[in-house]
Amino acid sequence: DQQVKQNSPSLSVQEGRISILNCDYTNSMFDYFLWYKKYPAEGPTFLISISSIKDKNEDGRFTVFLNKSAKHLSLHIVPSQPGDSAVYFCAAGYNNNDMRFGAGTRLTVKP
Amino acid sequence: EAGVTQSPTHLIKTRGQQATLRCSPISGHTSVYWYQQALGLGLQFLLWYDEGEERNRGNFPPRFSGRQFPNYSSELNVNALELEDSALYLCASSGGEKWDNEQFFGPGTRLTVL
Repeated sequence: DQQVKQNSPSLSVQEGRISILNCDYTNSMFDYFLWYKKYPAEGPTFLISISSIKDKNEDGRFTVFLNKSAKHLSLHIVPSQPGDSAVYFCAAGYNNNDMRFGAGTRLTVKP
Repeated sequence: EAGVTQSPTHLIKTRGQQATLRCSPISGHTSVYWYQQALGLGLQFLLWYDEGEERNRGNFPPRFSGRQFPNYSSELNVNALELEDSALYLCASSGGEKWDNEQFFGPGTRLTVL
């Protein structure tokens, strides 16, 4: 039961351009959404989050947008840097229920 | 400050054996979470412990079990190993009893079942 989906397994962008990573969910109960970044041989690290009462949260080069009616969230990275190359996971959950993760999108930022 | 640590880094077992994976949370964190990342799949939630008690369990069979010790470290046990149990097992810890507090992940234990 894949309640959180990242339909693009990979994304390649040029350094300095915008990276947009997308995530769709099916459970309307989800009220908290997170993005994690994972480098090879390391555990995921928290990047940015958004609660369902907001539609945008910004932290430096990273902005997460939430469209509740479409059950869609996206992560924008502007400008993209080669060090941003990693696998990005979106996650969602509510109350004290287990967080559901997407399968991840591998971002490659080319110099 | 030391992060979440997991041991061993790699573990090779044969089908039918038991595997024990260990996790030490960040000092001061009381919640420990276990996840499975199988090849091509996202992180699948396994177990959540807080203050020594199991708070929630993902959709995994009973042969996946664990416990949390008084010092908040945790063990994940997988009995009667099957080939499809081969995966990266990640442990995370957080400082509050709400699951949606930021979770800090360890580097993982890669379990290979032959």
